[in-house]
Amino acid sequence: QSALTQPRSVSGSPGQSVTISCTGTSSDVGGYNYVSWYQQHPGKAPKLMIYDVSERPSGVPDRFSGSKSGNTASLTISGLQAEDEADYYCCSFAGNYIHVFGTGTKVTVL
Amino acid sequence: QVQLVESGGGVVQPGGSLRLSCAASGFTFSSYGMHWVRQAPGKGLEWVTFIRYDGSDKNYADSVKGRFTISRDNSKDTLYLQMNSLRAEDTAVYYCARKTGGRYCFDYWGQGTLVTVSS
Repeated sequence: QSALTQPRSVSGSPGQSVTISCTGTSSDVGGYNYVSWYQQHPGKAPKLMIYDVSERPSGVPDRFSGSKSGNTASLTISGLQAEDEADYYCCSFAGNYIHVFGTGTKVTVL
Repeated sequence: QVQLVESGGGVVQPGGSLRLSCAASGFTFSSYGMHWVRQAPGKGLEWVTFIRYDGSDKNYADSVKGRFTISRDNSKDTLYLQMNSLRAEDTAVYYCARKTGGRYCFDYWGQGTLVTVSS
């Protein structure tokens, strides 16, 4: 149950795109199409942004998109906006109800 | 609307025990699996434990196995986390989160309750 690996931080100017990677193993990210992404603003609870690798819950802007290749999943934020500045965490199902979170990435809007 | 409200956090000495509660409303609690997720101060999220909608199956992170017990009372729409043999490294905000129906993710979260293990 080792944490998935994410970059500590990414940044971009308003309107630009940023991509956050999430690297696991064949026992988690690579083994299931059950990667989800969460946005967390300081002092707040996480919010579901992407589930099942690339599906968006209702209400989440289509600027947020997800993908996966092998043991690495990615979250892309297009048309970056000031309110997107937050911490982002990936999460993967790892079998038998177990979930593993990523190390977290701070997104800064310049 | 869906609401999850945690309670029971506080300061406890190493080796002590604490029971957290999560009161659910706005949905049919007995139809959903539930998780506990924690976040140490300034750190990332860590999955802790899961219980099926009917309480028939559970699992735990290795870091808490044998010390923490998840349970639920569907007649009271409440989820619990019994924490025993607490260690300093258990200090964290503990969130309850609903398992998305038919999916492997967490669609609603509570606001969290802080547990501090310190002498």
